[in-house]
Amino acid sequence: NAGVTQTPKFQVLKTGQSMTLQCAQDMNHNSMYWYRQDPGMGLRLIYYSASEGTTDKGEVPNGYNVSRLNKREFSLRLESAAPSQTSVYFCASRVEGYEQYFGPGTRLTVT
Amino acid sequence: EDKVVQSPLSLVVHEGDTVTLNCSYEVTNFRSLLWYKQEKKAPTFLFMLTSSGIEKKSGRLSSILDKKELFSILNITATQTGDSAVYLCAVRGGSQGNLIFGKGTKLSVKP
Repeated sequence: NAGVTQTPKFQVLKTGQSMTLQCAQDMNHNSMYWYRQDPGMGLRLIYYSASEGTTDKGEVPNGYNVSRLNKREFSLRLESAAPSQTSVYFCASRVEGYEQYFGPGTRLTVT
Repeated sequence: EDKVVQSPLSLVVHEGDTVTLNCSYEVTNFRSLLWYKQEKKAPTFLFMLTSSGIEKKSGRLSSILDKKELFSILNITATQTGDSAVYLCAVRGGSQGNLIFGKGTKLSVKP
């Protein structure tokens, strides 16, 4: 099993550009999550999907959209990137009652 | 507001020392408390503590949960340089039942 995979690993955008971060898991998990991690701020939840076909806002959803394409895939879209969105983005997944597994992360810089 | 507070924020010790990392929380609808280790990449799972499992041990690492006093500790005995990492505490609860992360404790183990 590959676990949770994310693409790309690194990305540089100019302010106003758009991009989609991809996430996939092969563990048949129902729930999937997108976090951002900033220095001194810990991990903050952007959006989550408790099951295929549902998505909900987390703590910091502004400026982002998500799509739960199927049970395996959960993408995060930045429609108009801003420097404040410079961060490391982690995708995670889990089965109810168990721990979350994290992907390797995407380091995004917006100039 | 739900919150998880870790202390200290950083810690420097020498190989062979024993360390204790602290995590206190004020989270509604508590379900579980998790510890993760992060070494410049994705967080990796260490322990999950719930009402039915308030003490866990794995090798040199151990953790306890005090649900009455609302805290947990992570102990690492006979530290090694490979233990150098950021240790994250997270509590599952709140109105959405998602993980709420502390800001982490950065542990540096000197040879």
